[in-house]
Parts: sequence; structure tokens; C-alpha cells
Amino acid sequence: DTGVSQDPRHKITKRGQNVTFRCDPISEHNRLYWYRQTLGQGPEFLTYFQNEAQLEKSRLLSDRFSAERPKGSFSTLEIQRTEQGDSAMYLCASSLRGSPLHFGNGTRLTVT
Amino acid sequence: SQQGEEDPQALSIQEGENATMNCSYKTSINNLQWYRQNSGRGLVHLILIRSNEREKHSGRLRVTLDTSKKSSSLLITASRAADTASYFCATDAQGGSEKLVFGKGTKLTVNP
Repeated sequence: DTGVSQDPRHKITKRGQNVTFRCDPISEHNRLYWYRQTLGQGPEFLTYFQNEAQLEKSRLLSDRFSAERPKGSFSTLEIQRTEQGDSAMYLCASSLRGSPLHFGNGTRLTVT
Repeated sequence: SQQGEEDPQALSIQEGENATMNCSYKTSINNLQWYRQNSGRGLVHLILIRSNEREKHSGRLRVTLDTSKKSSSLLITASRAADTASYFCATDAQGGSEKLVFGKGTKLTVNP
């Protein structure tokens, strides 16, 4: 169990640029989640995959956000035309059915 | 929107003392979980309590659940400086959703 890994750890970008984050879940976990966390708040759900299928999306996931999990293994989260309000920690988690979530250490995005 | 509300928002105690954190939620649940987050890191699962359970122990952790009051408490006994972290409760959402809904967290500081 090598844990959930996220890349990059930090990303600074200018407003209007596109960014992409990667998440590698625990290998045997078929469920993968993206959450967003702002300072002083708990994580907020963005989206959920079971294998390669994206089964649930939050209203928070605007048209500028897209997530993929093409082969049911790693996942990417892309934000297009970033805005300052997108600055947050983006957390990925994975699990098996009925088991607790295992989180990565997140990607901290700063939009200037 | 966040379902859970932790209380207090911040707690500072001395090593060896007990720390109690409370969580209230709004809707019916199947289970409630507690997670811990060290600064700048991902969340780590601590304990899960099901809706038909009233109390659960794990090491120095004791969790209670009162579904009639829609509340839970996390007790950490004989606290250590290493327990310094933010603690979040999380509940499953209704309607078959796979997402967890997190509270805003309690920031615990244990002074040596």
C-alpha cells in the first residue's frame, strides 16, 4: 500500500490559465473521489468515479472543471480559465466499496 | 453545503488532558466518520460509527453517536503533542449518493 499520490503538490498560475492535476489512487481501489478544501473549511465533494465511470458530480463542478479516469486507474482534474476563487487545496481520495476514504496530500492551487 | 458543524472551532489543551469535540448534523445518516488532518496534509480516517451504534472505542479514541439529537462526540484521552491537528466529522449524504459531507472541523492544539 503506497498510498494515494497527487501531483503537483503546489501550483501557482495566473488567472485565465488552464491547470491539470493528477491523482494516482491505491492500486486495488476502484472508487476515486475529488474534493476541494478552502482555508478553515472542511473538504467539499466535487466528483466520484467507480472504475472509469464518472457517476456523480457536484454543482460545484462548473463547466470549467472536468475530471477523467480513462482506464479506471489514475485520474486527472482540469480547470480551464482559472479564477482567483479557484484557489484551494484539491484533494483526491480512493476507496473500496464500504471502506473509509484514503486521501492524498492534495494539490494546493494559487491563482494570482 | 456542509452538513456537519463541529464545536468548538478551536481547542487548546495541555498534554495529558482529554479533548472532546462535538459534531452536529442535519439529516438522517447511515454512518458517521471522524477524520484527522495535519496542517498541509490529506485527511486520515480515524473511526466510523454506524447509525445503530451508540459508542465505539479505538485506542485513545472514544466516539459517541446520538441519532435522536443528530450529534456525535469524539473524545481523545491522555492527549499528546502529536495529536495536534484538525478533526472533521463526515456523514454520508442521503439518496444513495457516494459523497461524504464534512463539517468545518475543530482545530486542536496540544501544548507540551
